Parts: sequence; C-alpha cells; structure tokens
Amino acid sequence: DAKTTQPPSMDCAEGRAANLPCNHSTISGNEYVYWYRQIHSQGPQYIIHGLKNNETNEMASLIITEDRKSSTLILPHATLRDTAVYYCIVRVYSGGSNYKLTFGKGTLLTVNP
Amino acid sequence: EAGVTQSPTHLIKTRGQQATLRCSPISGHTSVYWYQQALGLGLQFLLWYDEGEERNRGNFPPRFSGRQFPNYSSELNVNALELEDSALYLCASSWELPPGELFFGEGSRLTVL
Repeated sequence: DAKTTQPPSMDCAEGRAANLPCNHSTISGNEYVYWYRQIHSQGPQYIIHGLKNNETNEMASLIITEDRKSSTLILPHATLRDTAVYYCIVRVYSGGSNYKLTFGKGTLLTVNP
Repeated sequence: EAGVTQSPTHLIKTRGQQATLRCSPISGHTSVYWYQQALGLGLQFLLWYDEGEERNRGNFPPRFSGRQFPNYSSELNVNALELEDSALYLCASSWELPPGELFFGEGSRLTVL
C-alpha cells in the first residue's frame, strides 16, 4: 500500500472550512484513498473514499489531484464536534483483506470557537 | 440503518479472569473485524471473521479468541486477563465488495485491575 504523509496537527475556526491535506506520491492506479476520523476514545468513523474523481457526501468533500499524488479532505463548515484525528489511508481493495486498512498517526484537527 | 453495535460499553475485570465482548455488524455485512487500541497507541488488528469462519488473526496469543454466529454477530473472548489487556476493543464490519470500507462500533473499554 502507498505511504501517506499528513501534517501532525491543524487548527480551524468554528464555521470555517477545514482543509486537510494528504500526500500519497507513490499511489498506484488501482489504489483507493480512504478518510477516517477518530474522536477521542471512540471508534474510527468512515468519512469518504475516492479512486480518481472528486467525491462529496453529507460529511465532507474529497478532492484528488489529477496526478492522484495528493488529496484534500474538506469539511465545509467545521464545528467543535469535528475535533478529531483524521486518517488518510491509501490501499488497494483486495477482497477479503480489509483488515489490513492500517491507520497511521493522522492529523489532529482542533476546531476552535 | 443501525450501525455496528458493541456491548458492553465498559467492563472491569481482575487479572486471571475472562472477558467476553460482543459485536453486531451492520445488516448485510458478513465480515467482522476485531481491533485492540491500547491507550495512546494505534489500532492493532486482532481477528477477522467471515461467514462464520476465522479467516485471519493478528499477532496476539491464543488466549484471545472469538467466534461468529450464523446471524454474523461476533464474540471476542479474552482468557487469563493480564493488566496489559486493558484497552479499547473495537469491532468493525464491511461489505466484501469494493472499496471495502470498514464501519466501526464505539468500542468496549476493558479495564483489568
């Protein structure tokens, strides 16, 4: 699986957009980009995933660059409840080995009032 | 749609005792995964069950075991508890089709005294 690089921490003002970057310069053509977050002492929460195209759901938007070497998770209107560690994970879907989705250190996003 | 549910939320045991944790996957998901997250550490893969069979296990001793029932719910058993077993135990489920994102429960906090 491709290695990802994320900043260790970021701050964001409440109500503003939070843009979390992720570099995955070694990504291959069949690797998906997944984003999860973990609020303190809770289970990780799936946010969004993408392969090539930008994606949007009720939680966030995922922007993947044309060369797929980096991506940005956008929380359009951050709230205090969005304070969490955000994980960017890149891996090939290989049917039946989903447990190998490994979580690195992620980015601690702190939303300030 | 109900998410992954785990019980109990908290469990306190003493050394040498046994602990049983339970997990109900999202309806339609056949795979269940168990992870251990000790304080301040990342998620460590424990066990993967699919269609009632243990498909893979992480680097944990045999006193960590479990099973999956015909309704796809699962149980994690930890025998001969040790102090270092104190952790958040997370269960996740997924589809077997791409992209195979994991959906986690809120976890069971096990404290061994």
